[in-house]
Amino acid sequence: GESVGLHLPTLSVQEGDNSIINCAYSNSASDYFIWYKQESGKGPQFIIDIRSNMDKRQGQRVTVLLNKTVKHLSLQIAATQPGDSAVYFCAEISGGSYIPTFGRGTSLIVHP
Amino acid sequence: NAGVMQNPRHLVRRRGQEARLRCSPMKGHSHVYWYRQLPEEGLKFMVYLQKENIIDESGMPKERFSAEFPKEGPSILRIQQVVRGDSAAYFCASSPPAGWETQYFGPGTRLLVL
Repeated sequence: GESVGLHLPTLSVQEGDNSIINCAYSNSASDYFIWYKQESGKGPQFIIDIRSNMDKRQGQRVTVLLNKTVKHLSLQIAATQPGDSAVYFCAEISGGSYIPTFGRGTSLIVHP
Repeated sequence: NAGVMQNPRHLVRRRGQEARLRCSPMKGHSHVYWYRQLPEEGLKFMVYLQKENIIDESGMPKERFSAEFPKEGPSILRIQQVVRGDSAAYFCASSPPAGWETQYFGPGTRLLVL
């Protein structure tokens, strides 16, 4: 069946490094993608989104890249800070739907 | 502008009891979504409601679970005769009428069934 998943369950980086979190999706009908950040004990927080007619979108310290050819999505965090430590989820919404399908999540650990 | 509020934040129930989870959407939001999250897993969609209407309940178990979003008051997710497998974090999200793509999540209710 269709699924959204993450390559790495845990990513450890040093403060100041750049972080890259990857996500694979298999539903070719997906046309909208969202990255969420979830800190311990809290609900998911919207970070950035991208539509399928785009390859790249930048926010504050974050960049999302979409490669439709290989159905791959990535979140890049520049100059990672301890406050970035959290679980990051990608979610996809296919055309005509309004319900995001979440991946399993990647835990980002930032060491000071 | 207060965000999405959920209560209680933690709920402990014994098997067979009822659990009631409440969600107050952000001001101006008329769409509410409920999700369940098991440990170390992503969120799973349960139900999508608008005021006084259930739009999509395809992710909700057919038995023991129900949801409502009355004209006045919070949205309620009700779980009857809870079992241990119901233990999870339940998140509510809301969105404005024309902005379903961006859902704002509440802090969640962590349900523990003993």
